[in-house]
Amino acid sequence: DQQVKQNSPSLSVQEGRISILNCDYTNSMFDYFLWYKKYPAEGPTFLISISSIKDKNEDGRFTVFLNKSAKHLSLHIVPSQPGDSAVYFCAASGVSGTYKYIFGTGTRLKVLA
Amino acid sequence: DSGVTQTPKHLITATGQRVTLRCSPRSGDLSVYWYQQSLDQGLQFLIQYYNGEERAKGNILERFSAQQFPDLHSELNLSSLELGDSALYFCASSGRRMTEAFFGQGTRLTVV
Repeated sequence: DQQVKQNSPSLSVQEGRISILNCDYTNSMFDYFLWYKKYPAEGPTFLISISSIKDKNEDGRFTVFLNKSAKHLSLHIVPSQPGDSAVYFCAASGVSGTYKYIFGTGTRLKVLA
Repeated sequence: DSGVTQTPKHLITATGQRVTLRCSPRSGDLSVYWYQQSLDQGLQFLIQYYNGEERAKGNILERFSAQQFPDLHSELNLSSLELGDSALYFCASSGRRMTEAFFGQGTRLTVV
């Protein structure tokens, strides 16, 4: 039962353009959502998060949008840079109940120079 | 540097053997999580400890066990190893608010 889904295994974007990574979840108990970036042979690095009481959170070039009614979140990277090329995981947790972080299967982003 | 330390970085062992993976959380973090990543797949949640007590359990095999010690470091024990247990094992820790978790560099386990 995949509670957090990233339906696009890969995405290619031109440098300077916007990258949009999508994530869907099924469990309405989730109330905190996170994005992680992962390079090969390294651990995931925390990027940005959003609480379910918000619909948008911005940090520099990274913005996360949450649509609770659709159970959907997205990560926007503007402008995209070659160094952003990595695998991006979304994760969800129910900090008010269950505490484990459930991860999606990841989207491999390639930013073309 | 996330502040989470995992040892060893690499481990090669034979089928049927037992290994122990170690994790030191970030200073002050009470929660430790263990994840398994096989063949560039997603991160599968195994188990979480909070201040020495088991808090949540995922799809952890009965051959696997974990514990968190009074100094808050954690160990993941994998026994009767099979070829399919070859994977990256990540440890993460989070603070009292349990918002974002920070990951270690992982232990790559190869079972031959």
